[in-house]
Amino acid sequence: KNQVEQSPQSLIILEGKNCTLQCNYTVSPFSNLRWYKQDTGRGPVSLTIMTFSENTKSNGRYTATLDADTKQSSLHITASQLSDSASYICVVSAGGSSNTGKLIFGQGTTLQVKP
Amino acid sequence: KAGVTQTPRYLIKTRGQQVTLSCSPISGHRSVSWYQQTPGQGLQFLFEYFSETQRNKGNFPGRFSGRQFSNSRSEMNVSTLELGDSALYLCASNIGQGRTDTQYFGPGTRLTVL
Repeated sequence: KNQVEQSPQSLIILEGKNCTLQCNYTVSPFSNLRWYKQDTGRGPVSLTIMTFSENTKSNGRYTATLDADTKQSSLHITASQLSDSASYICVVSAGGSSNTGKLIFGQGTTLQVKP
Repeated sequence: KAGVTQTPRYLIKTRGQQVTLSCSPISGHRSVSWYQQTPGQGLQFLFEYFSETQRNKGNFPGRFSGRQFSNSRSEMNVSTLELGDSALYLCASNIGQGRTDTQYFGPGTRLTVL
């Protein structure tokens, strides 16, 4: 069964600290893995997209890693800011002929950054 | 460039009714996807349209349907509403050129079924 599991479910950190969110998946065939940030009451915003051959991808203070062998991904946030408080969603595409293919979503990690 | 717009933003319906939600993609985007988001199930993929054709479909009953017009605008219809259909419905668009195209989400339509 195709699944995407994220941990932790929620996280509280102090402003300025770093944190790492985890994503484990069992999806076949694998096409790509995406990380999204979703602020409360708003639609998700794409942070990174990685294919099978990519190990690391950065977007400002966000760095995603992908280990296709162990089927694990992480999202590292450096020098957190209050605006980083949001839900972070890991999404894996199970192939397909188009952009979306069959998208499998994780339940998300809720991050709260406190001053 | 204007972002993805969805109308209406909020909607209240009663069981058994039907509803139509609208999505206008970013100009030049040919692919439109729909998602349902609930606290219990999280985000779930409904379907994707590209050039007026449904290209992918998630695991939702036939009460959920959609269509795309020649200008890439898309509508989603839910018939015979159930309480469990209460959710945030998100629309996303992308250029439609490849598997790693960035998806741009709209703000969503919050549907409440009473």
